[in-house]
Amino acid sequence: EVHLVESGGGLVQPGGSLRLSCAASGFTFATSWMHWVRQRPGQGLEWVARISDDGVSTFYVDSVRGRFTISRDNAKNTLYLQMNSLEVEDTAVFYCAKITVPASSLIDYWGQGTLVSVSS
Amino acid sequence: QSALTQEASVSGTVGQKVTLSCSGNNNNIGTYTVAWYQQVSHGAPKTVMFGNSLPSGIPDRFSGSQSGTTASLTISGLQPEDEAHYYCSTWDYSLSEHGMTVFGGGTKLTVL
Repeated sequence: EVHLVESGGGLVQPGGSLRLSCAASGFTFATSWMHWVRQRPGQGLEWVARISDDGVSTFYVDSVRGRFTISRDNAKNTLYLQMNSLEVEDTAVFYCAKITVPASSLIDYWGQGTLVSVSS
Repeated sequence: QSALTQEASVSGTVGQKVTLSCSGNNNNIGTYTVAWYQQVSHGAPKTVMFGNSLPSGIPDRFSGSQSGTTASLTISGLQPEDEAHYYCSTWDYSLSEHGMTVFGGGTKLTVL
């Protein structure tokens, strides 16, 4: 059974940093592309970043490019999202998600999410 | 404003058939397969459809279709547990230099 478990969320001041982790199990992580998707309070889903199975190719929504970095450790079956220069508008639940087939954007499994609150 | 347009709300009674729609353009739905995600209350999303393929464990009362720049999710025989927000999503190659995943604004499905 596929499991994706996010961690690392919390309260941070504007301008601060956080690193989210997503521990994956139940599938071959090293051959799976992955997403981070966020949901601001009371809002819909917003794609944040995508990474290829080997970690070489990364893609970002314009609003986070240059501030967020998606990465992975295939030996540890773990996906990361390093978030720097956090803004109040980054407050959201962040979900990691497994992509169905390489280079696609479609998701077949989602984690439970981790809450990031940016406030002074 | 979302790249994909969905109805804000749809309602139906138990046992009824309802169809949710997702409208885009040739840069997204017209080119790529659409997925549908269900989000009950404030829980994590769950995938209920890729194109017209049903993921494992999803009841066969869910079906999907895609034609031109519009995608649809149909629920035949609506059940109380189907009450949720539904989001459509696909790839768009025009909104960013390397393309990006886009979501619709979501449809709130109420089971009366």
